[in-house]
Amino acid sequence: DQQVKQNSPSLSVQEGRISILNCDYTNSMFDYFLWYKKYPAEGPTFLISISSIKDKNEDGRFTVFLNKSAKHLSLHIVPSQPGDSAVYFCAASFSNAGGTSYGKLTFGQGTILTVHP
Amino acid sequence: NAGVTQTPKFQVLKTGQSMTLQCAQDMNHNSMYWYRQDPGMGLRLIYYSASEGTTDKGEVPNGYNVSRLNKREFSLRLESAAPSQTSVYFCASTEWVGLEETQYFGPGTRLLVL
Repeated sequence: DQQVKQNSPSLSVQEGRISILNCDYTNSMFDYFLWYKKYPAEGPTFLISISSIKDKNEDGRFTVFLNKSAKHLSLHIVPSQPGDSAVYFCAASFSNAGGTSYGKLTFGQGTILTVHP
Repeated sequence: NAGVTQTPKFQVLKTGQSMTLQCAQDMNHNSMYWYRQDPGMGLRLIYYSASEGTTDKGEVPNGYNVSRLNKREFSLRLESAAPSQTSVYFCASTEWVGLEETQYFGPGTRLLVL
């Protein structure tokens, strides 16, 4: 049972346009969400995160939106650049009963973003 | 500051052989993790260590053992490798700022089991 899903295996965008990557989750206990970027032959690199108490978080060209009622989050990249071409993973985490998460992440399958010059 | 380092980068094993994947972090993080990445599956948690001296199973622990040697090092052992363990293995550690976490990953170990 895939608790975090990225239903689009790939996305192709023109340089300068907006890239929108989507992620859905099924476990309502998740309360912290992260996006990672991964280049071939490298480990994932943290991009941006959002807590469930917020519905939006921005960092430069990257904005993450969270819709808790729909159990959906999205990553917007504006403007897209060729260097953004990579695999993007969303991940989710939740706090245990003591209020401290052990940081265990559940990942989606990833979306390959290609930005064309 | 090297972050998270992993050795080896590549390894080929025959079915039934054993090996240990090494991981170290120099960021003084308490929590460390081992994931595997397979095509179309994302990353799946094998084992984690919330702090020095503790380890616990993740989503896919069968066929693996771990050792949290000290705060810096967290190793993953395959006692009897199987072709199903062919994968890319990532080690990670977590930094906490309040209740917000950022997980840092190593470059990965590519393992082929024949």
